[in-house]
Formats: sequence, C-alpha cells, structure tokens
Amino acid sequence: GNSVTQMEGPVTLSEEAFLTINCTYTATGYPSLFWYVQYPGEGLQLLLKATKADDKGSNKGFEATYRKETTSFHLEKGSVQVSDSAVYFCALLTGGTSYGKLTFGQGTILTVHP
Amino acid sequence: NAGVTQTPKFQVLKTGQSMTLQCAQDMNHNSMYWYRQDPGMGLRLIYYSASEGTTDKGEVPNGYNVSRLNKREFSLRLESAAPSQTSVYFCASNPGLAFYNEQFFGPGTRLTVL
Repeated sequence: GNSVTQMEGPVTLSEEAFLTINCTYTATGYPSLFWYVQYPGEGLQLLLKATKADDKGSNKGFEATYRKETTSFHLEKGSVQVSDSAVYFCALLTGGTSYGKLTFGQGTILTVHP
Repeated sequence: NAGVTQTPKFQVLKTGQSMTLQCAQDMNHNSMYWYRQDPGMGLRLIYYSASEGTTDKGEVPNGYNVSRLNKREFSLRLESAAPSQTSVYFCASNPGLAFYNEQFFGPGTRLTVL
C-alpha cells in the first residue's frame, strides 16, 4: 500500500533560518506528490505539488523536488518568516481507481521565532 | 465562491449521542472526501464519494456513515458517538475524473465526545 513518512517534529527555527522538512514515500504506481500547509485554526491549503520525476514544485519561497530514485520530496525554504509557522503535511496520490484519495504523512509542526 | 464549507465548527457530544456533520462545495466538483485529523497521525480518510450517487469506505470507516445528498453536499453521520471519535474532521473536494491533482479543504469541525 501507499505510505508517507515525514521528519519528526516539532521544528523550531529563528527568523531567516534555512528550513528542510524531509518526506519519503512508498507507493504502488507512479504517484503525484504534494505539500499542504495548515495555519492555526484553519483547514489545509495546497502549498506546492509535483506530478513526475525531477519536477520541482515551488510557491511562496518553498521548494520541493520529486526524486524518484530516493522516493523523496523534501520541503525547503531559504529564509523562513514568523508567518510560516504552521503544520506541514506531505501527501501522495496515485491515479486510476484511487479516485483522488490522498495519503498523508503525520505532519510536521514548524514554529518560527522572531 | 465560498469553496468548501462545513458546519458546525465546534461540537461537544456525550457518549452514545448522534450527530451529522455537514459539508458543501460550490465549485461543481465531482469528488468529495471526509478525513479525520488526530495528533501525530496526519489525516486519515473516513469515506469518499468519487461522484454523485456513489460512496466508498476509506481507511477508518467504522462508526461512521455518509450520504452524498447531491453534487454539492456530502454529510458524515455518527450514529452513536464514542470518545475515540474525538477529533477534527475535514471535508474536501476535487474536480474528479482526470483532474485529481488538488483537493480543496474546508475549515474543519472540532468534535469532542465526553
């Protein structure tokens, strides 16, 4: 079956620090990969995605590259801000009869201090 | 566009009580989903509806029922609530068919079962 493993949290950083949140996956077939973000008290929002090997998804200064050889999709940002404090979820989706069902990692809490 | 809306936002139940969580989307999406979010476990799929008129079990369906009332609405029912169902519940939708690449989430319902 499908599974997603994320780096254990919580992660605490100072403003302008470099961020990496690791994500690895196992999947049958050829998945699409996603990072979702959940700000306090809100639902999940799509942060970025990649649909094939070597694709790089990017948004709001965050980036992640789909690495098929290492089955990874690590999230990076060069300089975090206090407003990036949130929970980050890595997720995958396989096509066909999966009907768009996402498989999520456990989430990583990020706190950024001024 | 309101996107995906959920009611209520908060609910407290006693063990054995029943309730229905409501979800509606105004994006003309075909597929809808119910997830629960528990600390350290990410989001787990309870039920989904690939298209109007169909529903299927997800990863954790026990203790829940769903109804896809029409294309817009997808409700989740707890017939006899248990403390193990204390969680945050999210509804999501996506266009379906060939366009499974993004799910849109509602703001969530925080349920406590005493």
